Amino acid sequence: GAVVSQHPSRVICKSGTSVKIECRSLDFQATTMFWYRQFPKKSLMLMATSNEGSKATYEQGVEKDKFLINHASLTLSTLTVTSAHPEDSSFYICSARDDRGQNYNEQFFGPGTRLTVL
Amino acid sequence: GENVEQHPSTLSVQEGDSAVIKCTYSDSASNYFPWYKQELGKRPQLIIDIRSNVGEKKDQRIAVTLNKTAKHFSLHITETQPEDSAVYFCAASRATGTASKLTFGTGTRLQVTL
Repeated sequence: GAVVSQHPSRVICKSGTSVKIECRSLDFQATTMFWYRQFPKKSLMLMATSNEGSKATYEQGVEKDKFLINHASLTLSTLTVTSAHPEDSSFYICSARDDRGQNYNEQFFGPGTRLTVL
Repeated sequence: GENVEQHPSTLSVQEGDSAVIKCTYSDSASNYFPWYKQELGKRPQLIIDIRSNVGEKKDQRIAVTLNKTAKHFSLHITETQPEDSAVYFCAASRATGTASKLTFGTGTRLQVTL
């Protein structure tokens, strides 16, 4: 159980375009979803936390107008990178958590999306 | 906010030897400490976690110890195998439901040589 999927797994886009990444919890309801960014050989940096039906909470230094997050249901969150530039190229990983369960701390990670902006 | 430091950044051990990775945290209110293993290009996978109400937890070859007073916790892998080679991340968070979020350490690249 506790499977999280992410789509697409890999995307290449031109500079100036927008890219949408989907994160789905397949077999549980995710009351909270997280979006991370990971550069090569670096750690996971939290970008934002989203709760179903409410606005995302962004970490300091993350532009909310550039990284649009929507958590429309208990199984789906989306991250849209708007007007992408080469410096946005990175590995984006989502995670999901059910805050109502006994193991409410545990986050389940998606497989990640590698974004390359040309 | 929370700050998690992790050492060493790289660790090379021979197959069969033990490996130890150490982390320190700054927020005394943190009470959940997971460890993740990440292979190249893959998702982080939880290998073990510990909550602050216990000092040690073991799962086969993997163990984690926690010293709340000193605010540090460690991962111990015994009888290492080549498939243990990966990057390991420690993390810390408060267990306050929707407000809690993980802060990750900088990672340790473990290489198990034959």
